Amino acid sequence: QKEVEQNSGPLSVPEGAIASLNCTYSDRGSQSFFWYRQYSGKSPELIMFIYSNGDKEDGRFTAQLNKASQYVSLLIRDSQPSDSATYLCAVNKDTGNQFYFGTGTSLTVIP
Amino acid sequence: EPEVTQTPSHQVTQMGQEVILRCVPISNHLYFYWYRQILGQKVEFLVSFYNNEISEKSEIFDDQFSVERPDGSNFTLKIRSTKLEDSAMYFCASTGSGGDEQFFGPGTRLTVL
Repeated sequence: QKEVEQNSGPLSVPEGAIASLNCTYSDRGSQSFFWYRQYSGKSPELIMFIYSNGDKEDGRFTAQLNKASQYVSLLIRDSQPSDSATYLCAVNKDTGNQFYFGTGTSLTVIP
Repeated sequence: EPEVTQTPSHQVTQMGQEVILRCVPISNHLYFYWYRQILGQKVEFLVSFYNNEISEKSEIFDDQFSVERPDGSNFTLKIRSTKLEDSAMYFCASTGSGGDEQFFGPGTRLTVL
């Protein structure tokens, strides 16, 4: 069983729309949850992290966590062509432990 | 803004040769990591390092791999005898004392011929 699973996509949304990215994880002991953005040939770039159930908003991004369902999502409002990238979900069990990454969801925002 | 740096950006080597990938983590960070990403695949954990010792390692991190923090700033990954399948992007990352926000370096692209 994979630690972190994501729909690989590709996901296409028109400019200005809301993009919804989903992630599930297998280990109920996971404590911290992260969303990274990765442009082709570049390193992962941290967008935001969430620890507690519920929503966390940061600008156009909202992360949602449901520990009972072992589900994390990322909403991108007012999507821009520059948001076109692969979005990686990552989970962490404890400070200093490895981060488990999903395979990523490819997002294309169509102008 | 502080950032993780890595050198070289691209390393080409012959199979069986030793390579050393170098990283300078963010200066006040305490936890250091190496990951690799084979082209088109997911980011895979190799090893984490804290307080001058390995704290966790994956099955990928076998005897041909080693890590070192030779001074107060550098963090290195050595591959003793490279194989074709070691060709990948290698990312260094670091986190602070809270262990939450993990920042990645730009990566070293390793090509084994």
